[in-house]
Amino acid sequence: EAQVTQNPRYLITVTGKKLTVTCSQNMNHEYMSWYRQDPGLGLRQIYYSMNVEVTDKGDVPEGYKVSRKEKRNFPLILESPSPNQTSLYFCASRKGGNGRADEQYFGPGTRLTVT
Amino acid sequence: AQSVTQLDSQVPVFEEAPVELRCNYSSSVSVYLFWYVQYPNQGLQLLLKYLSGSTLVESINGFEAEFNKSQTSFHLRKPSVHISDTAEYFCAVSELGSNTGKLIFGQGTTLQVKP
Repeated sequence: EAQVTQNPRYLITVTGKKLTVTCSQNMNHEYMSWYRQDPGLGLRQIYYSMNVEVTDKGDVPEGYKVSRKEKRNFPLILESPSPNQTSLYFCASRKGGNGRADEQYFGPGTRLTVT
Repeated sequence: AQSVTQLDSQVPVFEEAPVELRCNYSSSVSVYLFWYVQYPNQGLQLLLKYLSGSTLVESINGFEAEFNKSQTSFHLRKPSVHISDTAEYFCAVSELGSNTGKLIFGQGTTLQVKP
């Protein structure tokens, strides 16, 4: 089954404790991205990756890092989480970049709470 | 830069009644248009998209949306809703020819179908 998986699904942590949210897709997609969803704001892009070793900032990258060492994986790293990063996070992937309007496939989401 | 406005945050409606979820966008360049649906505790799923051609696009579960370039709108409609349509709906745009693949989302509209 074609899918995007994220782990963990739920996470409660404390300020400053480094964490990683994993994302993996089994569709051999080139393009992957991370979004955060906040009430009244919809989804906003954090980072995206056009292919292995190619990443770039989205609209709200502050406080986040990513890496793309393998095509299927795109982890989101919070080096020093703060309460304003409490949110619902979605990983997404699609077949290609370069302006193609391919459907983006979304993971089930990770609900992060930082106290 | 693009922006998307969903004019209603919540839309309550009775089962079998018609519904319209409104979406307006702003962009200085041509865009692709999308509607995504998010069922409770799930990720986003593509409902329908407009790329080019006929301005009326349809989904497999009875929703349709019409692209109106002069009014920069992409409203979503269904003539008769079911309880199972209860979900949050997001309108999104993507810049034509963009390399980033970024989706700009509206704030979301919660459709509440009552028996």
